[in-house]
Amino acid sequence: VHLVQSGTEVRRPGASVNISCRTSGYTFTKFAVQWVRQVPGQGLEWIGWIHAAAGHTKYSRDLEDRVIIDRDTSTTTAYMELSSLRSEDTAIYYCARGTAREGFDYWGQGTLLTVSS
Amino acid sequence: DIQMTQSPSSLAASVGDRVTVTCRASRDIEDYLVWYQQKPGKAPKLLIYDASTLQSGVPSRFSGSGSGTDFTLTISSLQPEDVATYYCQNFDSAPLTFGGGTKVEVK
Repeated sequence: VHLVQSGTEVRRPGASVNISCRTSGYTFTKFAVQWVRQVPGQGLEWIGWIHAAAGHTKYSRDLEDRVIIDRDTSTTTAYMELSSLRSEDTAIYYCARGTAREGFDYWGQGTLLTVSS
Repeated sequence: DIQMTQSPSSLAASVGDRVTVTCRASRDIEDYLVWYQQKPGKAPKLLIYDASTLQSGVPSRFSGSGSGTDFTLTISSLQPEDVATYYCQNFDSAPLTFGGGTKVEVK
């Protein structure tokens, strides 16, 4: 099982970013993918998740107006788009695969997003 | 939203000590609780799900207990490689909130 995320991103305030999470080694549609972020030196913040089969999503209330999580079952890739970026969005973004009961057991390597003017 | 509160925020113990980390949910989440370990510069690693089920490959010195609102992660004999930050995560309902983390160090 592998989850490989897209590379480091730098954006200006107000811009958008789309981070990808390419998966392999398992049946994509049998699991969910969650997105989590972490400001360096701080704790984990849940962003949202998508059930890969049906495409149903749930989001953090703090981010639900600015985030979209989607997936492409043909390429077994999940995506997270965050818009209207602010400096506070500077963080490492992780994707992880899992189930509703058994936790998220495989994680991507993380993508550093820097938002700065 | 369910709030998850961990305590302590940090601790230092000697190699071989028994270490306990606590996580409290703001409402009943039954046993829908997951624990992760995160080492510096690395992604989190799943340790325990369903509050007490050890993930495959995780050393047996790690254990989890609790249900409802109060949960515990125990390391029965602290090892140097256990230095990390530990997080609980609510799995009862979205948003799947995390606790603030407990940093474990060796004296």
